[in-house]
Amino acid sequence: NAGVTQTPKFQVLKTGQSMTLQCAQDMNHNSMYWYRQDPGMGLRLIYYSASEGTTDKGEVPNGYNVSRLNKREFSLRLESAAPSQTSVYFCASSESGSSPHFFANTGELFFGEGSRLTVL
Amino acid sequence: GNSVTQMEGPVTLSEEAFLTINCTYTATGYPSLFWYVQYPGEGLQLLLKATKADDKGSNKGFEATYRKETTSFHLEKGSVQVSDSAVYFCALWNSGNTPLVFGKGTRLSVIA
Repeated sequence: NAGVTQTPKFQVLKTGQSMTLQCAQDMNHNSMYWYRQDPGMGLRLIYYSASEGTTDKGEVPNGYNVSRLNKREFSLRLESAAPSQTSVYFCASSESGSSPHFFANTGELFFGEGSRLTVL
Repeated sequence: GNSVTQMEGPVTLSEEAFLTINCTYTATGYPSLFWYVQYPGEGLQLLLKATKADDKGSNKGFEATYRKETTSFHLEKGSVQVSDSAVYFCALWNSGNTPLVFGKGTRLSVIA
């Protein structure tokens, strides 16, 4: 029962390097999300995908790109890493439906274990 | 816009002490409210929720009541255990296919 799987769990980059964080869920969820977690800042949404084929910016999208490859997979790419992107990144997924009340009835995000990224 | 404010941590308690973590929100309409918990080294997981005013969410001995008159959703537990040590996040969802809005989190440490 894997749930949400993120890779890699740890990564060290030099400034200017690029990398992609991979995320896959096996719960047949429509919606997927990328968050970053920083001390004192809580959880901030980077990008999300409400359904396959759509992506939207969250609170802190600058410096990132995303791809919803299919219903299962949602990747986050750093094209030119900066020290300010040192953080712990979490992928999450949720059920959602056409009804605006559906999400309220479930309200549950399922999170991966996180990917710790350090940019030197 | 929608926002969530929760008490700053860290909170340190002795085992069996009473816990309150305050959470207030700003939103139009009738949002749904949630508490998530993050244990060390793990992702967040849903602890409890309430979808309308006066609802009480409960799980694992934790409770929170949706108070529309005070726009609050405070988390309480009567007797904490060392295993409750974690970061607790209050969250709000308001409408459509929009994401949850999280508070900044409150770190709880329970000592034996």
